[in-house]
Amino acid sequence: DVKVTQSSRYLVKRTGEKVFLECVQDMDHENMFWYRQDPGLGLRLIYFSYDVKMKEKGDIPEGYSVSREKKERFSLILESASTNQTSMYLCASSFISGTGSVTEAFFGQGTRLTVV
Amino acid sequence: DQQVKQNSPSLSVQEGRISILNCDYTNSMFDYFLWYKKYPAEGPTFLISISSIKDKNEDGRFTVFLNKSAKHLSLHIVPSQPGDSAVYFCAASPRVAGNNRKLIWGLGTSLAVNP
Repeated sequence: DVKVTQSSRYLVKRTGEKVFLECVQDMDHENMFWYRQDPGLGLRLIYFSYDVKMKEKGDIPEGYSVSREKKERFSLILESASTNQTSMYLCASSFISGTGSVTEAFFGQGTRLTVV
Repeated sequence: DQQVKQNSPSLSVQEGRISILNCDYTNSMFDYFLWYKKYPAEGPTFLISISSIKDKNEDGRFTVFLNKSAKHLSLHIVPSQPGDSAVYFCAASPRVAGNNRKLIWGLGTSLAVNP
């Protein structure tokens, strides 16, 4: 079974703190993603990476950065946490089939971040 | 502008009956569609997918129908069970070159299956 593991289920941080959310996948997937989910807004893509050291901005990258130094690990960084970054953060990974088609993304269990 | 739309935020059905969740899309470049299920405080889990070259895909109680001319897909759950109560997300993937494809998500439909 594919496993995507996020380092924390729940986090509480103070405004202005630098926050690291870690994600590890064990299936050698090329693609990794960070989303946030808020009520009524669905899943919004923050950043994604299709290879080591490669990253692309998603729909809402402001206030976030990412790091992918190893294929299995994708980190989301909140440079200076703010209360409007209180949310559920979801990491996902997927691979590309031999024909170049996208495959389904596998998600971690989520991190509920509260910024106070 | 939402490229993938789930126009019903919620749906309530009786146990044993059929649940039909709908999804509309606007981008004709989408060629792969997926449905995910999400329980509260958990990550989404993949349910079923369909390629644009097909019009139907079935997996147990779950069937996805694709109508390309109408740019519409639907997920049928038969029979519905209380454990199916969750938020269902529709997602689509565009036909692009390279290996950096990403999914475009709908806002979700909350399904409640009543015993």
